[in-house]
Amino acid sequence: NAGVTQTPKFRILKIGQSMTLQCTQDMNHNYMYWYRQDPGMGLKLIYYSVGAGITDKGEVPNGYNVSRSTTEDFPLRLELAAPSQTSVYFCASGPTAEKLFFGSGTQLSVL
Amino acid sequence: AQSVAQPEDQVNVAEGNPLTVKCTYSVSGNPYLFWYVQYPNRGLQFLLKYITGDNLVKGSYGFEAEFNKSQTSFHLKKPSALVSDSALYFCAVRADSNYQLIWGAGTKLIIKP
Repeated sequence: NAGVTQTPKFRILKIGQSMTLQCTQDMNHNYMYWYRQDPGMGLKLIYYSVGAGITDKGEVPNGYNVSRSTTEDFPLRLELAAPSQTSVYFCASGPTAEKLFFGSGTQLSVL
Repeated sequence: AQSVAQPEDQVNVAEGNPLTVKCTYSVSGNPYLFWYVQYPNRGLQFLLKYITGDNLVKGSYGFEAEFNKSQTSFHLKKPSALVSDSALYFCAVRADSNYQLIWGAGTKLIIKP
């Protein structure tokens, strides 16, 4: 199993641009999460999904959108990028909400 | 409201000595408690969890954690530290009524030879 795969690993955006962060897992997990990690801070939940076709907002959803059309994929869309969205983004999945497997992260800079 | 506090930004321990990384929490209802470890430029890895049962939970890499309900704490421990234990450690909690984990800010553990 490849586990949780995130692409790209690094990206620089200009203010106002849009992009999609890709996340794929091959473990048939129902639960998937998107987090952002800012320096010196814990993880903040952006969106999560408990199964295909079901998504819900986390703590910090503004400026982001997600979709979950398949069990494997959970892309995160940034519309109109802002400097405040500069962060490291982690996707995670789990067979339950108790144990999560994380991808290696996407480092995003908005300039 | 749910919250997690890791009161120490950094913990320094000599190799071979016991280590403790502290975590306290606040949650409505029964807590589900977790420890994860993050190595440089990597995603987080699950170490251990407490849901119910024995207050002392054993996890990966020789780590264990003790749940203390009266002190609302879930400190991470290891009897003998290794240099390879140096990493960032995160405590997390969720209530039994939802799917969202609330994360502490992390504690940087440095083990010196």
